Amino acid sequence: DAGVTQSPTHLIKTRGQQVTLRCSPKSGHDTVSWYQQALGQGPQFIFQYYEEEERQRGNFPDRFSGHQFPNYSSELNVNALLLGDSALYLCASSSVGFSLNTEAFFGQGTRLTVV
Amino acid sequence: AQSVAQPEDQVNVAEGNPLTVKCTYSVSGNPYLFWYVQYPNRGLQFLLKYITGDNLVKGSYGFEAEFNKSQTSFHLKKPSALVSDSALYFCAVRDSVWAGNMLTFGGGTRLMVKP
Repeated sequence: DAGVTQSPTHLIKTRGQQVTLRCSPKSGHDTVSWYQQALGQGPQFIFQYYEEEERQRGNFPDRFSGHQFPNYSSELNVNALLLGDSALYLCASSSVGFSLNTEAFFGQGTRLTVV
Repeated sequence: AQSVAQPEDQVNVAEGNPLTVKCTYSVSGNPYLFWYVQYPNRGLQFLLKYITGDNLVKGSYGFEAEFNKSQTSFHLKKPSALVSDSALYFCAVRDSVWAGNMLTFGGGTRLMVKP
């Protein structure tokens, strides 16, 4: 089981550019969430996708958008990059269903640096 | 709104001694609580969770956590610390049993175990 995989691992972009990050969920998982972890802080929830739709959204501007594909993989897009967007972006996958025995599994993250 | 507080930025402990990493939470409904660990330049690894049942939860690598509803706390503990336990620890809460719901994380506690 490959677990949650994210690409690329590192990325450097210039202010004003656009970036796309990718995530493949753990086998058997159908829900993908994205988190932003700024240096020295805890992860903050960006949004979550299930059945190819955005289901929940955190307090992030519309510059942050996403997509989920039929194979459950997901993309995070950030437009008009700001220096403050520099962070570790984490993807988490989980399985929908009224189960008590589930938790989110996280990928290794993509380190985005905006210069 | 849900929130998590980790009052200590860093915890120092000698190898072989017991350790405690503190976490308090606030949530409107039933709390679903988690501990994750993060090693340098890595994603988050799941340690343990409290969903329902016994207030003492056992997890990976010898860690355990005690859920205290009256004190709204979920402290992480280990009877005997190892140098390899040195890492960043995050407490998180979810207000729904659905695994896809957003996690709210604390700011993290750096655990330093000295030989």
